[in-house]
Amino acid sequence: AQKITQTQPGMFVQEKEAVTLDCTYDTSDQSYGLFWYKQPSSGEMIFLIYQGSYDEQNATEGRYSLNFQKARKSANLVISASQLGDSAMYFCAMRGGTGGFKTIFGAGTRLFVKA
Amino acid sequence: GAVVSQHPSWVICKSGTSVKIECRSLDFQATTMFWYRQFPKQSLMLMATSNEGSKATYEQGVEKDKFLINHASLTLSTLTVTSAHPEDSSFYICSARPLRLAGEEETQYFGPGTRLLVL
Repeated sequence: AQKITQTQPGMFVQEKEAVTLDCTYDTSDQSYGLFWYKQPSSGEMIFLIYQGSYDEQNATEGRYSLNFQKARKSANLVISASQLGDSAMYFCAMRGGTGGFKTIFGAGTRLFVKA
Repeated sequence: GAVVSQHPSWVICKSGTSVKIECRSLDFQATTMFWYRQFPKQSLMLMATSNEGSKATYEQGVEKDKFLINHASLTLSTLTVTSAHPEDSSFYICSARPLRLAGEEETQYFGPGTRLLVL
């Protein structure tokens, strides 16, 4: 069965510093995709970054980068130069393999950015 | 970018009534739409997958007769919570998978969600 694990219920980071949000996954499939979403208090799901299982380079999108370590089955999100507006809930998600196009989500990490 | 809308954004109803939530892809056609439920401070849990013109596929533990899903067109899916009870109060989010040409990166787009409160 596929599973996503986020072990950090909450994280604090000082404004302008970098922060890493952890995500590990479990799948026996070779082809899958990994995602990170941001959910502010309004509830909308905001897509941040995507990493395909066959991508050799780590994905980057602006201040977001995904530290993909396939052998360890981890896909940590790194946010550089944190901003107050980054305070939100962050979900790691996985799609593909035996799950088809279904996406499963981790429990989430609430990030608090301090001024 | 692709936009998915949900209506209503907020609904309060009495216990025992039925509530319909609409999910529309505004500027693209969606082969598949997904319905999620999110309880406060919890993650998104997939309820069902709906394909246009066919019956929805429900996840284990989700009651088909309670959560009726209709995917009548490539731009509209509806979730009806029948005989709603307070425990059905939750945040319901839909997402839509666009029609894609072969080789194009697949993605899904989320609606803004609907907050349901059953009194």
